[in-house]
Amino acid sequence: DQQVKQNSPSLSVQEGRISILNCDYTNSMFDYFLWYKKYPAEGPTFLISISSIKDKNEDGRFTVFLNKSAKHLSLHIVPSQPGDSAVYFCAASASFRSQGGSEKLVFGKGTKLTVNP
Amino acid sequence: DVKVTQSSRYLVKRTGEKVFLECVQDMDHENMFWYRQDPGLGLRLIYFSYDVKMKEKGDIPEGYSVSREKKERFSLILESASTNQTSMYLCASSYRGLNTEAFFGQGTRLTVV
Repeated sequence: DQQVKQNSPSLSVQEGRISILNCDYTNSMFDYFLWYKKYPAEGPTFLISISSIKDKNEDGRFTVFLNKSAKHLSLHIVPSQPGDSAVYFCAASASFRSQGGSEKLVFGKGTKLTVNP
Repeated sequence: DVKVTQSSRYLVKRTGEKVFLECVQDMDHENMFWYRQDPGLGLRLIYFSYDVKMKEKGDIPEGYSVSREKKERFSLILESASTNQTSMYLCASSYRGLNTEAFFGQGTRLTVV
């Protein structure tokens, strides 16, 4: 069963407008959430994260919002630029060891963002 | 600058071959991971390791094994390559502890013919 869901496989926006990428999760034990950006033939790169004790985290043009009651998070990109065109993965952190608190990331299927000039 | 290096960017192997994918990180991370990425399926965890010689199965371990003899190196082994293992393979590493991000290598595009 998919624990992290990105229901939109693709999104297309105009340059300068806002891009909103959505992510839902089912496991209430998740307490840390991340967004990664991936270009073709490259590894994912970390973009921004948010802890469950917050509802918003901002870094330049990127803002992540977390709604714990709805088990929903979103990534806002304002203004969108053509270089933002990539696949965006939502990930949630789950502990896999009782000691030490080591964690693994559970990923969604990704959303392909296209920003048109 | 943090670095996770995968030994090959592109690899073509024949069905039935034993395939080794190597990954090295220079950040002294305790955790290392192997994912595969397929269109429409996202990133799926194959195996992970939280210490030298320690390993745990991820979501899709069948047909794979791993080796971690040194802290900085994590190898993925395809025991007998099959065409359904054609994929993008991604290695990642992270510190042990809560709320840590994982750093990824550049990926290995493996084609099994």
